Amino acid sequence: NAGVMQNPRHLVRRRGQEARLRCSPMKGHSHVYWYRQLPEEGLKFMVYLQKENIIDESGMPKERFSAEFPKEGPSILRIQQVVRGDSAAYFCASSPPTGQGANEKLFFGSGTQLSVL
Amino acid sequence: SQQGEEDPQALSIQEGENATMNCSYKTSINNLQWYRQNSGRGLVHLILIRSNEREKHSGRLRVTLDTSKKSSSLLITASRAADTASYFCATDERGGADGLTFGKGTHLIIQP
Repeated sequence: NAGVMQNPRHLVRRRGQEARLRCSPMKGHSHVYWYRQLPEEGLKFMVYLQKENIIDESGMPKERFSAEFPKEGPSILRIQQVVRGDSAAYFCASSPPTGQGANEKLFFGSGTQLSVL
Repeated sequence: SQQGEEDPQALSIQEGENATMNCSYKTSINNLQWYRQNSGRGLVHLILIRSNEREKHSGRLRVTLDTSKKSSSLLITASRAADTASYFCATDERGGADGLTFGKGTHLIIQP
């Protein structure tokens, strides 16, 4: 029973390139969350998705950032035209369907460390 | 200060001693959770306490919640070197965004 899988673990991009971060939730989990963590900081909520739906993207910058969770396949966090300030660790978390503990216990992946040169 | 602020920022104690970390928050909450993060890894859920609960235990962990003061504490008893990590509190805000709101964490170092 694999946990939340994120890839790649490390991603290096030059300014202006695109970054695509992938997250496969735990088996049976239909809720996916993306968080960003800067050094010595806590996690900042970005977006909450269910299959084929963005439920809450209030924490995600309006420009350059997008997220999806298609019917098949992993959730993708996409950052276009990256800038140095995008350098951070991006964590994905999943939780069971509503009524079974959604937002009560999150299971986190090991994160993707994005470095923008 | 921001929602879910931990105190102290860093704590260094001897193995076997108890470690206490505090968390303050600002809004009404449904629940408060504590997570642990080892360097370079994802967060691991430790314990959840609901807004109508005052104290909860799990193994060597004890969590208290005072909704009138909007604060929580995490006590780790008989600490071990393996407890060295960063500890974060996270709140599920009532009427807030769907994600949890995390504090900046307490970095705990257990010296053998």
